[in-house]
Amino acid sequence: GAGVSQSPSNKVTEKGKDVELRCDPISGHTALYWYRQSLGQGLEFLIYFQGNSAPDKSGLPSDRFSAERTGGSVSTLTIQRTQQEDSAVYLCASSLSPGSNNEQFFGPGTRLTVL
Amino acid sequence: AQSVTQLGSHVSVSEGALVLLRCNYSSSVPPYLFWYVQYPNQGLQLLLKYTTGATLVKGINGFEAEFKKSETSFHLTKPSAHMSDAAEYFCAVRSGYNNNDMRFGAGTRLTVKP
Repeated sequence: GAGVSQSPSNKVTEKGKDVELRCDPISGHTALYWYRQSLGQGLEFLIYFQGNSAPDKSGLPSDRFSAERTGGSVSTLTIQRTQQEDSAVYLCASSLSPGSNNEQFFGPGTRLTVL
Repeated sequence: AQSVTQLGSHVSVSEGALVLLRCNYSSSVPPYLFWYVQYPNQGLQLLLKYTTGATLVKGINGFEAEFKKSETSFHLTKPSAHMSDAAEYFCAVRSGYNNNDMRFGAGTRLTVKP
């Protein structure tokens, strides 16, 4: 595939359960980002991976959120003990390399609903 | 830190009318500015960007935006709206060379009436 892919596209879970969201970036892209898009709000930066460097986790809203990126490619965002306020669309993006000129390519997102 | 304000969460225009979506930014250093579009059930895609050079930037689908430093604005325009332009539009700003420090506005939903 040529673009960023995310799975699942929709996830409904019960409060208190753990969820895992997956992102497959564009091949060769060294930078990977996770954002959260809540209704009526902009995109909230969550975490950023660049190559083998330690990720920038400054946007994670709580310690229930974590993410990893294996082999510099696929990334998984994990939310433990989900709460209703976690309901949102989670977007993944990737870009070629650091630099403000580089475009971020976004996946279609995972819509998470916590009941 | 940089920030973006998009004026108007919803904008409605008639087909063929001018589209104007407003974006104002705040940045302590020269900004890099972006407009992204999100069509229903799709991911965000880049519409256009300003980095350096010419302040009037042309993007895809007939959209353009002008960087006005004195007004700290980067409004998006299109002379004639098409039904297919109905989507959500996000303005974003990145300050300096920090690749992860990108801030998005709340978005503006554009509706095009026949």
